[in-house]
Amino acid sequence: QVQLQESGPGLVKPSETLSLTCAVSGYSISSGYYWGWIRQPPGKGLEWIGSIYHSGSTYYNPSLKSRVTISVDTSKNQFSLKLSSVTAADTAVYYCARHVRVVPAVGSWFDPWGQGTLVTVSS
Amino acid sequence: EIVLTQSPATLSLSPGERATLSCRASQSVSSYLAWYQQKPGQAPRLLIYDASNRATGIPARFSGSGSGTDFTLTISSLEPEDFAVYYCQQRSNWLFTFGPGTKVDIK
Repeated sequence: QVQLQESGPGLVKPSETLSLTCAVSGYSISSGYYWGWIRQPPGKGLEWIGSIYHSGSTYYNPSLKSRVTISVDTSKNQFSLKLSSVTAADTAVYYCARHVRVVPAVGSWFDPWGQGTLVTVSS
Repeated sequence: EIVLTQSPATLSLSPGERATLSCRASQSVSSYLAWYQQKPGQAPRLLIYDASNRATGIPARFSGSGSGTDFTLTISSLEPEDFAVYYCQQRSNWLFTFGPGTKVDIK
């Protein structure tokens, strides 16, 4: 079955760039679906960051768009997140997930999810 | 932006009881609503998509209903493993948002 695994530094300094990678196994990213990033600050709710197709087509949350870049590497079957100019407010567990049915005028959901990785922004 | 509101914030029930969780959207989202379960230290798990369709492997005690602005997740008889936080999620054009969650805890 499809499995996702996030990786990257657990500590990032304020004003620097957060970089995470999500490795996908059990499914070829090139076969379809969008692939997304969602984050959850400690003790709080979920926030969608953005999603990418294997072609490189992306959708971003407008609230983060100016600081976010999501890219895909089909040769490694993985996709990545970069979030620039981070502050303490960006401290969160970051999840990657398969993003299902990212087409107009239909329901869309995230399934399955990676286990998540905690990123703390602190000097 | 469409805002999702979930109620109650916390639901205290005993195993075997019926749980009824509400998700309300500030504008119609048609049937474009999903529900997730999240246990402490774990990633969310998809339960329901398109308002009423159970995801693969989800027990029949979980059911979803509603359309437009009002949605309900029902757990017909709570099992010990069902005590968790439940989130609803909608899509509006190209923005995907989650509700604040309902915590179902043991009474």
